[in-house]
Amino acid sequence: GAVVSQHPSRVICKSGTSVKIECRSLDFQATTMFWYRQFPKQSLMLMATSNEGSKATYEQGVEKDKFLINHASLTLSTLTVTSAHPEDSSFYICSASMTQNGNQPQHFGDGTRLSIL
Amino acid sequence: DAKTTQPPSMDCAEGRAANLPCNHSTISGNEYVYWYRQIHSQGPQYIIHGLKNNETNEMASLIITEDRKSSTLILPHATLRDTAVYYCIVRVQGAQKLVFGQGTRLTINP
Repeated sequence: GAVVSQHPSRVICKSGTSVKIECRSLDFQATTMFWYRQFPKQSLMLMATSNEGSKATYEQGVEKDKFLINHASLTLSTLTVTSAHPEDSSFYICSASMTQNGNQPQHFGDGTRLSIL
Repeated sequence: DAKTTQPPSMDCAEGRAANLPCNHSTISGNEYVYWYRQIHSQGPQYIIHGLKNNETNEMASLIITEDRKSSTLILPHATLRDTAVYYCIVRVQGAQKLVFGQGTRLTINP
């Protein structure tokens, strides 16, 4: 159980393109999902917390107009990187938790490797 | 959330027990200790978590010291597939964010 699916696994596109990444909880409902970014040889950095039916909460330094998050259902959150540029190239990872209780683990997707040419 | 300190890298022989330490000396009473690992180019995988009692599951054992200032993740019979970066994270009960440090890069050698 507790499977999180992320799609696509890899994207290569031209500068200026907008890219949408999907995160789905396959066998549970997730009121909250999280988006992380990971640059090579670095740790995961939390970008934003995605709440079903409400606006996402962004971490300091993350541009909300650049990284659009939509969490329209209890099983799907999307991250759109708008007008992507080479510096946005990174490994984007989502996670979801079954409950809002803090002692339950988050489960992660397999990530999306975004390469902007 | 309390900060954790882990060695940057460790090596272990295949078949042996891998013991990964984590220091969390500023942990407070309502913070859980979580362990995740990340195999290259994949998302993190949940391993185990605990509050104060030792925990065991099919993947690993978690030993938390009585004062809760440190813990050890034990992989009882390490295999080559256990080569990964292991993250020790403390999180307040009721909070949801996970803050990742640099972790320990564990290499299992044949």
